[in-house]
Amino acid sequence: QLQLQESGPGLVKPSETLSLTCTVSGGSIGSSYYYWGWIRQPPGKGLEWIGSMSYSGSTYYNPSLKSRVAISLDASKNQFSLKVRSVTAADTAVYYCARTSADSYYFDYWGQGTLVTVSS
Amino acid sequence: DIQMTQSPSSLSASVGDRVTITCRASQSITNSLSWYQQKPGKAPNLLIYATSSLQGGVPSRFSGSRSGTDFTLTISSLQPEDFATYYCQQSYSIPFTFGPGTKVDIK
Repeated sequence: QLQLQESGPGLVKPSETLSLTCTVSGGSIGSSYYYWGWIRQPPGKGLEWIGSMSYSGSTYYNPSLKSRVAISLDASKNQFSLKVRSVTAADTAVYYCARTSADSYYFDYWGQGTLVTVSS
Repeated sequence: DIQMTQSPSSLSASVGDRVTITCRASQSITNSLSWYQQKPGKAPNLLIYATSSLQGGVPSRFSGSRSGTDFTLTISSLQPEDFATYYCQQSYSIPFTFGPGTKVDIK
């Protein structure tokens, strides 16, 4: 059974960089058939797709965040990561990592989520 | 961006009720529509993909359909474990976007 687990600091200061890692177990991220991505959910609000990346290096970002976001993938560790630069309070959210297929882009496996608060 | 709207934003229903939630896309998305269930403090769970395909392990009381740019999630007989918030998501074009959610609670 595929499992995803987010990890990273729960508190980030304004203007700094948010960094999260998703560790995948029960399967390999070394397949171009899947994309590995990030979705976030501000407290009490809806879901926002951040971006997704495949093993081949193909990457898609939400244009609203593209200038501040980077996703990378480390197949040797079976992990992928998210960096969000110059964070503000508006970036406070539960961050989820998730898998999509490369042809249909629905999110079939999710991590449990991790709350990141931006505050000084 | 493709905007997704959902109606109603919330509803109250009883166990055994038939529940229908609608999601409307701001433009054609063909069948590229998925539905998720989210319970408090948990990650969303995929119920239906490609408009009407049931994800493995999801009970058959959940079903999906489409009419043009209107999509429907139907729960044929609401069970206690179905009280949750439901989101639709389009995967037709980037950025992938979600509807605002429909909260289903106990009447």
